[in-house]
Amino acid sequence: SQTIHQWPATLVQPVGSPLSLECTVEGTSNPNLYWYRQAAGRGLQLLFYSVGIGQISSEVPQNLSASRPQDRQFILSSKKLLLSDSGFYLCAWSRTTVEFPEAFFGQGTRLTVV
Amino acid sequence: AQSVTQLGSHVSVSEGALVLLRCNYSSSVPPYLFWYVQYPNQGLQLLLKYTSAATLVKGINGFEAEFKKSETSFHLTKPSAHMSDAAEYFCAVSDLGGAQKLVFGQGTRLTINP
Repeated sequence: SQTIHQWPATLVQPVGSPLSLECTVEGTSNPNLYWYRQAAGRGLQLLFYSVGIGQISSEVPQNLSASRPQDRQFILSSKKLLLSDSGFYLCAWSRTTVEFPEAFFGQGTRLTVV
Repeated sequence: AQSVTQLGSHVSVSEGALVLLRCNYSSSVPPYLFWYVQYPNQGLQLLLKYTSAATLVKGINGFEAEFKKSETSFHLTKPSAHMSDAAEYFCAVSDLGGAQKLVFGQGTRLTINP
């Protein structure tokens, strides 16, 4: 079966510090990968997605970047965090066939920038 | 562009009562639609999905949803609410493109009164 791991679960970082959140998927190959952010009391905003190694698409311009160094690894980064980067970050994966369009989510990382 | 509107950011029902969470979508192509549930500080769990087969879709935990093309709706129901159903619920539509990105509604927080 497939599993998705996301860490850390919680993170408190000062303004201006760097960020690295990691997500890995097991039990499948060549998945689509996604990073979402959920601000308090709001829905989910798609930040980045990737359909293959080294292929990253950004949905919104911002202070964050993403990388996919391996097939099942997706990393969210920032060089200098802003207060507005606080939120709940969720990694997700999906199969690449339309017969199975649903996404599967990790447990999330609660980021607080202070 | 596809979009989802969830009517009611908060819904409160009594234990044992009918649960009805409303979702309307906008899509230029036949949509794939989803309902996800999120418990506090956790990721999203797929409840059910519509992929152009049967219009009445049954999911986990006794939930079901009906796709109505004429009303562009995909409302989520459960005949009898349980205390464990208290959570946030998200409706989503897939763009069915190469990346199969999901567009989410703003979510509905369901409260169950004893």
